[in-house]
Amino acid sequence: DTGVSQNPRHKITKRGQNVTFRCDPISEHNRLYWYRQTLGQGPEFLTYFQNEAQLEKSRLLSDRFSAERPKGSFSTLEIQRTEQGDSAMYLCASSLGDSRGYTFGSGTRLTVV
Amino acid sequence: GEDVEQSLFLSVREGDSSVINCTYTDSSSTYLYWYKQEPGAGLQLLTYIFSNMDMKQDQRLTVLLNKKDKHLSLRIADTQTGDSAIYFCAESKRDQAGTALIFGKGTTLSVSS
Repeated sequence: DTGVSQNPRHKITKRGQNVTFRCDPISEHNRLYWYRQTLGQGPEFLTYFQNEAQLEKSRLLSDRFSAERPKGSFSTLEIQRTEQGDSAMYLCASSLGDSRGYTFGSGTRLTVV
Repeated sequence: GEDVEQSLFLSVREGDSSVINCTYTDSSSTYLYWYKQEPGAGLQLLTYIFSNMDMKQDQRLTVLLNKKDKHLSLRIADTQTGDSAIYFCAESKRDQAGTALIFGKGTTLSVSS
C-alpha cells in the first residue's frame, strides 16, 4: 500500500467552472477526511466519512461543495461554480478511527483564475 | 477561544534543541498530535499523546503536556537541517479518537548550519 493518493496534484480552472478531485485512502482505513489548507494556515476540516456514510460536514462546506464515497473506498470532492476564494490545497486523509491519527495525502492544489 | 495557537516562527542552529509550543482549546480533547509538513507535501504524523500522560518520548522527540494550562510542547533534540519544516499542533475535536482534528496555524522551524 503506497499511502493516501490524491489526484490531480494541481488543477488550474477558470472561475465558474466545476472541478472534481479524487482521493484513494489506505485500503484498510474506514475513515476518510477532507481538509482545506490556505497559505499560512493550518488545515481546516471540511467533512469526513466512515465507510460510505458522510458523518459530519463543516460549515465551511457550502452548497457548492459535495463529497462522496460511494463504495466506502475512494472519495471525490466536487466544487461547482468555482470562485477565486476556493483556491487552496485540498488535503485528504484516512484513518482507522483510533488514536494513531491520520495519514494525509500530498494534496490537490487548486488555483481559480 | 476557538483556536489552537502556536508561535509562527522558530529559528535554531543545527545541533541545538528546538521547542515548539502550542495552546489548545478543549480540555476534553483526549488526544493531541504533532504533524510535520515539508514544502509542497502533505502532513506527516510525528507523534501523539494521550491526555492522561504528561510526557512522551520518541527518539529525538519529547512531547510535554500540561493539561491544566492546556499547553503542549514538542522538543526536538539535536535539530538537523532536515527538520526544517512547518510543525502543526492538533487536538481531537471531541472526546474520542478518530474524529475531526483542529489544527493550529503551524510553526515554521528554520534550522541553520
